[in-house]
Amino acid sequence: QQQVKQSPQSLIVQKGGISIINCAYENTAFDYFPWYQQFPGKGPALLIAIRPDVSEKKEGRFTISFNKSAKQFSLHIMDSQPGDSATYFCAALTQGGSEKLVFGKGMKLTVNP
Amino acid sequence: NAGVMQNPRHLVRRRGQEARLRCSPMKGHSHVYWYRQLPEEGLKFMVYLQKENIIDESGMPKERFSAEFPKEGPSILRIQQVVRGDSAAYFCASSPNGQLYEQYFGPGTRLTVT
Repeated sequence: QQQVKQSPQSLIVQKGGISIINCAYENTAFDYFPWYQQFPGKGPALLIAIRPDVSEKKEGRFTISFNKSAKQFSLHIMDSQPGDSATYFCAALTQGGSEKLVFGKGMKLTVNP
Repeated sequence: NAGVMQNPRHLVRRRGQEARLRCSPMKGHSHVYWYRQLPEEGLKFMVYLQKENIIDESGMPKERFSAEFPKEGPSILRIQQVVRGDSAAYFCASSPNGQLYEQYFGPGTRLTVT
Protein backbone atom coordinates (compact mmCIF):
# COMPACT_ATOMS: atom_id res chain seq x y z
CA GLN A 1 0.00 0.00 0.00
CA GLN A 2 1.56 3.25 -1.13
CA GLN A 3 0.79 5.82 1.53
CA VAL A 4 2.22 8.82 -0.30
CA LYS A 5 1.46 9.22 -3.99
CA GLN A 6 3.51 11.64 -6.05
CA SER A 7 2.89 13.05 -9.51
CA PRO A 8 4.01 13.59 -12.20
CA GLN A 9 6.83 11.08 -12.51
CA SER A 10 8.85 13.47 -14.64
CA LEU A 11 8.70 17.08 -15.73
CA ILE A 12 10.54 19.20 -18.24
CA VAL A 13 10.40 22.98 -17.92
CA GLN A 14 12.22 25.88 -19.48
CA LYS A 15 14.54 28.09 -17.51
CA GLY A 16 12.54 30.70 -15.65
CA GLY A 17 9.37 28.62 -15.61
CA ILE A 18 7.43 27.24 -12.66
CA SER A 19 7.80 23.60 -11.65
CA ILE A 20 4.94 22.04 -9.71
CA ILE A 21 5.06 18.65 -7.98
CA ASN A 22 2.00 17.17 -6.32
CA CYS A 23 1.63 14.67 -3.51
CA ALA A 24 -1.33 13.03 -1.82
CA TYR A 25 -1.35 11.04 1.37
CA GLU A 26 -3.73 8.62 3.02
CA ASN A 27 -2.70 8.43 6.65
CA THR A 28 -4.28 11.26 8.63
CA ALA A 29 -1.80 10.63 11.44
CA PHE A 30 0.99 12.17 9.34
CA ASP A 31 1.95 15.52 10.82
CA TYR A 32 5.19 16.53 9.15
CA PHE A 33 5.73 16.79 5.40
CA PRO A 34 9.27 17.37 4.08
CA TRP A 35 10.52 17.61 0.53
CA TYR A 36 13.88 16.19 -0.44
CA GLN A 37 16.07 16.95 -3.45
CA GLN A 38 18.39 14.28 -4.78
CA PHE A 39 21.10 14.64 -7.41
CA PRO A 40 22.42 11.55 -9.22
CA GLY A 41 24.78 9.56 -7.05
CA LYS A 42 24.02 11.62 -3.96
CA GLY A 43 21.87 11.26 -0.89
CA PRO A 44 18.57 13.13 -0.51
CA ALA A 45 18.91 16.64 0.89
CA LEU A 46 16.18 18.22 3.00
CA LEU A 47 14.79 21.14 1.00
CA ILE A 48 11.75 22.49 2.83
CA ALA A 49 9.07 21.09 5.14
CA ILE A 50 5.61 21.97 6.43
CA ARG A 51 3.24 20.99 9.23
CA PRO A 52 -0.52 20.57 8.68
CA ASP A 53 -1.44 23.63 10.74
CA VAL A 54 0.07 25.85 8.05
CA SER A 55 -1.38 26.20 4.51
CA GLU A 56 1.72 27.60 2.85
CA LYS A 57 5.43 27.96 3.51
CA LYS A 58 7.91 29.81 1.35
CA GLU A 59 11.70 29.67 1.36
CA GLY A 60 13.34 31.55 -1.46
CA ARG A 61 12.14 30.14 -4.77
CA PHE A 62 10.53 27.10 -3.09
CA THR A 63 6.95 27.12 -1.79
CA ILE A 64 4.91 24.34 -0.23
CA SER A 65 1.14 24.53 -0.42
CA PHE A 66 -0.82 22.29 1.94
CA ASN A 67 -4.49 21.29 1.77
CA LYS A 68 -5.35 19.32 4.89
CA SER A 69 -8.96 18.54 3.96
CA ALA A 70 -7.92 17.13 0.60
CA LYS A 71 -4.84 15.43 2.09
CA GLN A 72 -2.68 16.94 -0.60
CA PHE A 73 0.44 19.06 -0.70
CA SER A 74 2.58 20.45 -3.46
CA LEU A 75 5.98 21.97 -4.12
CA HIS A 76 6.30 24.98 -6.40
CA ILE A 77 9.71 25.97 -7.73
CA MET A 78 9.61 29.50 -9.08
CA ASP A 79 12.06 30.80 -11.68
CA SER A 80 13.33 27.27 -12.29
CA GLN A 81 17.04 27.03 -13.08
CA PRO A 82 19.10 24.29 -14.80
CA GLY A 83 20.77 23.69 -11.43
CA ASP A 84 17.37 22.63 -10.07
CA SER A 85 17.44 19.57 -12.34
CA ALA A 86 17.22 16.69 -9.89
CA THR A 87 14.78 14.17 -8.48
CA TYR A 88 12.36 15.50 -5.91
CA PHE A 89 10.72 13.36 -3.25
CA CYS A 90 7.84 14.26 -1.02
CA ALA A 91 7.63 12.45 2.28
CA ALA A 92 5.55 12.27 5.43
CA LEU A 93 5.96 11.07 8.96
CA THR A 94 4.10 10.77 12.20
CA GLN A 95 5.79 12.40 15.18
CA GLY A 96 5.75 10.64 18.48
CA GLY A 97 6.04 7.27 16.85
CA SER A 98 9.24 6.00 15.32
CA GLU A 99 9.50 9.03 13.03
CA LYS A 100 10.07 6.87 9.99
CA LEU A 101 9.72 8.77 6.74
CA VAL A 102 7.30 7.47 4.11
CA PHE A 103 8.43 8.62 0.68
CA GLY A 104 6.70 9.17 -2.62
CA LYS A 105 8.28 7.57 -5.68
CA GLY A 106 9.95 10.76 -6.79
CA MET A 107 9.76 13.14 -9.72
CA LYS A 108 12.63 13.76 -12.10
CA LEU A 109 12.81 17.44 -13.00
CA THR A 110 14.73 18.67 -16.03
CA VAL A 111 15.13 22.40 -16.51
CA ASN A 112 16.28 23.31 -19.99
CA PRO A 113 18.51 26.37 -20.43
CA ASN B 1 30.10 20.11 11.27
CA ALA B 2 30.63 17.07 9.09
CA GLY B 3 27.55 15.51 7.59
CA VAL B 4 26.44 11.91 7.78
CA MET B 5 29.23 9.63 6.62
CA GLN B 6 28.72 6.30 4.95
CA ASN B 7 31.22 3.78 3.76
CA PRO B 8 31.95 2.17 1.54
CA ARG B 9 30.35 4.25 -1.18
CA HIS B 10 30.28 1.31 -3.54
CA LEU B 11 30.30 -2.35 -2.62
CA VAL B 12 30.33 -5.36 -4.92
CA ARG B 13 29.52 -8.76 -3.49
CA ARG B 14 28.95 -12.16 -5.04
CA ARG B 15 25.81 -14.07 -4.21
CA GLY B 16 26.11 -15.74 -0.85
CA GLN B 17 28.67 -13.31 0.58
CA GLU B 18 28.10 -10.89 3.43
CA ALA B 19 27.77 -7.13 3.05
CA ARG B 20 28.56 -4.68 5.87
CA LEU B 21 27.50 -1.09 5.48
CA ARG B 22 28.66 1.55 7.93
CA CYS B 23 27.11 4.85 8.94
CA SER B 24 28.50 7.58 11.18
CA PRO B 25 25.79 10.08 12.12
CA MET B 26 26.28 13.82 12.32
CA LYS B 27 28.03 15.02 15.45
CA GLY B 28 25.59 15.21 18.32
CA HIS B 29 22.99 13.00 16.63
CA SER B 30 22.09 9.81 18.42
CA HIS B 31 19.25 8.63 16.20
CA VAL B 32 19.99 6.66 13.03
CA TYR B 33 17.66 5.45 10.29
CA TRP B 34 18.40 3.12 7.39
CA TYR B 35 16.51 3.32 4.10
CA ARG B 36 16.79 1.32 0.89
CA GLN B 37 16.31 2.77 -2.59
CA LEU B 38 15.69 0.59 -5.60
CA PRO B 39 16.22 2.05 -9.10
CA GLU B 40 13.49 4.52 -10.08
CA GLU B 41 11.86 4.11 -6.68
CA GLY B 42 11.51 6.18 -3.56
CA LEU B 43 13.28 5.34 -0.36
CA LYS B 44 11.83 2.63 1.85
CA PHE B 45 12.32 2.65 5.60
CA MET B 46 14.18 -0.31 7.03
CA VAL B 47 15.16 0.32 10.65
CA TYR B 48 15.46 3.04 13.30
CA LEU B 49 18.11 2.81 16.00
CA GLN B 50 19.33 4.76 18.96
CA LYS B 51 22.57 4.02 20.71
CA GLU B 52 22.52 0.34 21.69
CA ASN B 53 18.80 0.03 20.94
CA ILE B 54 16.65 -0.95 17.99
CA ILE B 55 13.54 1.21 18.15
CA ASP B 56 11.68 0.12 15.01
CA GLU B 57 12.71 -2.61 12.60
CA SER B 58 9.35 -3.00 10.91
CA GLY B 59 10.83 -2.37 7.45
CA MET B 60 13.65 -4.85 7.75
CA PRO B 61 13.39 -8.25 6.04
CA LYS B 62 13.14 -10.87 8.77
CA GLU B 63 15.95 -13.00 7.43
CA ARG B 64 19.55 -12.17 6.51
CA PHE B 65 19.34 -8.50 7.54
CA SER B 66 20.45 -7.06 10.87
CA ALA B 67 21.42 -3.66 12.19
CA GLU B 68 23.20 -2.31 15.22
CA PHE B 69 24.29 1.02 16.64
CA PRO B 70 26.83 0.35 19.39
CA LYS B 71 27.76 2.71 22.17
CA GLU B 72 31.00 3.45 20.39
CA GLY B 73 31.50 3.49 16.65
CA PRO B 74 29.27 3.64 13.60
CA SER B 75 25.95 2.02 12.94
CA ILE B 76 26.26 -1.18 10.90
CA LEU B 77 23.74 -2.66 8.48
CA ARG B 78 24.63 -6.27 7.83
CA ILE B 79 23.27 -8.39 5.01
CA GLN B 80 24.15 -12.06 5.12
CA GLN B 81 24.13 -14.39 2.11
CA VAL B 82 23.35 -11.60 -0.33
CA VAL B 83 21.13 -12.23 -3.34
CA ARG B 84 20.75 -10.25 -6.56
CA GLY B 85 17.57 -8.64 -5.24
CA ASP B 86 19.60 -6.95 -2.50
CA SER B 87 21.27 -4.75 -5.12
CA ALA B 88 20.21 -1.22 -4.23
CA ALA B 89 21.37 2.03 -2.73
CA TYR B 90 21.30 2.01 1.06
CA PHE B 91 21.02 5.35 2.79
CA CYS B 92 21.55 6.23 6.38
CA ALA B 93 20.01 9.29 8.01
CA SER B 94 20.49 10.83 11.41
CA SER B 95 18.52 13.26 13.52
CA PRO B 96 19.19 15.20 16.70
CA ASN B 97 17.47 14.67 20.02
CA GLY B 98 14.25 16.66 20.23
CA GLN B 99 13.98 17.06 16.46
CA LEU B 100 13.56 13.52 15.27
CA TYR B 101 11.58 14.71 12.25
CA GLU B 102 14.62 16.43 10.74
CA GLN B 103 16.52 13.63 9.10
CA TYR B 104 19.78 14.30 7.32
CA PHE B 105 20.95 11.74 4.81
CA GLY B 106 24.37 10.42 3.98
CA PRO B 107 25.64 9.86 0.43
CA GLY B 108 24.60 6.22 0.44
CA THR B 109 26.25 2.88 -0.25
CA ARG B 110 25.52 1.36 -3.61
CA LEU B 111 25.51 -2.40 -3.28
CA THR B 112 25.83 -4.54 -6.36
CA VAL B 113 25.39 -8.29 -6.08
CA THR B 114 26.87 -10.27 -8.94
